[in-house]
Amino acid sequence: KNEVEQSPQNLTAQEGEFITINCSYSVGISALHWLQQHPGGGIVSLFMLSSGKKKHGRLIATINIQEKHSSLHITASHPRDSAVYICAVRGGSQGNLIFGKGTKLSVKP
Amino acid sequence: DGGITQSPKYLFRKEGQNVTLSCEQNLNHDAMYWYRQDPGQGLRLIYYSQIVNDFQKGDIAEGYSVSREKKESFPLTVTSAQKNPTAFYLCASSMGGAPSPLHFGNGTRLTVT
Repeated sequence: KNEVEQSPQNLTAQEGEFITINCSYSVGISALHWLQQHPGGGIVSLFMLSSGKKKHGRLIATINIQEKHSSLHITASHPRDSAVYICAVRGGSQGNLIFGKGTKLSVKP
Repeated sequence: DGGITQSPKYLFRKEGQNVTLSCEQNLNHDAMYWYRQDPGQGLRLIYYSQIVNDFQKGDIAEGYSVSREKKESFPLTVTSAQKNPTAFYLCASSMGGAPSPLHFGNGTRLTVT
């Protein structure tokens, strides 16, 4: 069983829809990262969080430490949001990152 | 603008040849990382460096080598000992110490035939 599981693997949405991507992990962590990988391959860090909730523009990330679960929400989705979204967790303060396999999102106009 | 530069974007080599991938950052970050990405898999750590002149093996270091002679630079050499070198390689950096956001380069796609 993978230590970081993301769902769904693939997601197709219509422009304007509210989107949720889930991440579950099985190890103790010091931080969880949400990353966005564009079709060209470059990766951008969206959020790093260890508790609660963070918001940036139309993106919201939440984490429940007790349930070992995090969600990434996108409100009013747009075709430019089409990308692969990757969840990664850091085990302990000096632990290396463990990556999920990613969720491929396609937003249709 | 500060960032991480990987070059080249595409690289083609014949089997049996060593090849070096470049990674340069001007973010003044202490920590640098090399990851490999294969279709359908999460990123896997090859090597990382927390400070100049020091580096550690990651999960899949066999067939790779690195150096960290300068804070800004962390080149990765894919040697002929790497059994399956064709992949997408990503370099990243962070401030180091306590968990901090990662900054990634745009990657190098290596094809070995």
